[in-house]
Amino acid sequence: DQQVKQNSPSLSVQEGRISILNCDYTNSMFDYFLWYKKYPAEGPTFLISISSIKDKNEDGRFTVFLNKSAKHLSLHIVPSQPGDSAVYFCAASIPSGTYKYIFGTGTRLKVLA
Amino acid sequence: DSGVTQTPKHLITATGQRVTLRCSPRSGDLSVYWYQQSLDQGLQFLIQYYNGEERAKGNILERFSAQQFPDLHSELNLSSLELGDSALYFCASSRGTSEYNEQFFGPGTRLTVL
Repeated sequence: DQQVKQNSPSLSVQEGRISILNCDYTNSMFDYFLWYKKYPAEGPTFLISISSIKDKNEDGRFTVFLNKSAKHLSLHIVPSQPGDSAVYFCAASIPSGTYKYIFGTGTRLKVLA
Repeated sequence: DSGVTQTPKHLITATGQRVTLRCSPRSGDLSVYWYQQSLDQGLQFLIQYYNGEERAKGNILERFSAQQFPDLHSELNLSSLELGDSALYFCASSRGTSEYNEQFFGPGTRLTVL
C-alpha cells in the first residue's frame, strides 16, 4: 500500500520554464512533508519542507504547495536550470508511530538547455 | 558531501549469505536511519536508532537487524540473503528524533545478491 504516490515517473522541461512535480498521499495523519533531490550515485539531499498547518512554503526558486483537502503536494521550480536535473522524492511523516519518513517512488526531472 | 559515510559502496554476494553494511553519521548527529530502495521503488524506512537505542521500526524483515554503537556508528546486518534483497541501502542521520530534524543521507551501499 503506497501511502505517498508520485504518479509521474519522469518530466522534461525547458530551461527557464517552470517545473511542477506532483505528489499525492492517502494518510490524513501526515503532518509534515518534504522534498528531497537525488543525483546519480549520491544520497538524497533535503530540498524544502512544509508543515500541515501551512499551504505554501518558499525557498528561493523552490516553492512547495500543500492542498490538504485534496491530499496533494506539489513542488514548483522557477526558473528551471539544467542543474536541477535529478530525481525528486516527496516524503511525509506522522508525528508518532513506527514510521518516520514515507517516501514516494520519485520523479525524474530533466531540464533541457 | 552530506557528512554521512557508508561502506562499502558496492557489495556482491550470493543467496543465503550474510553481509554487514556500515554507516558513520555526521558529527554531532545522534539519530541514524536505514532505508532500502529497490528498483523503481521509493525509499522504504527500515529502522531508526537514537543514541544507541532502537527508536522506530518500519518494514524491516526478521532476517535484518541493526545496531548503533557507543561511537554512534551503525551497522545493518542482512542474513539469509535472497535475490529480492538486491537494492540500494541508504543510511541517514539527524541531530535528534523529531520529524523536523533534517535527515542527511549517505551515498548508499548497492547490494547485489546473485
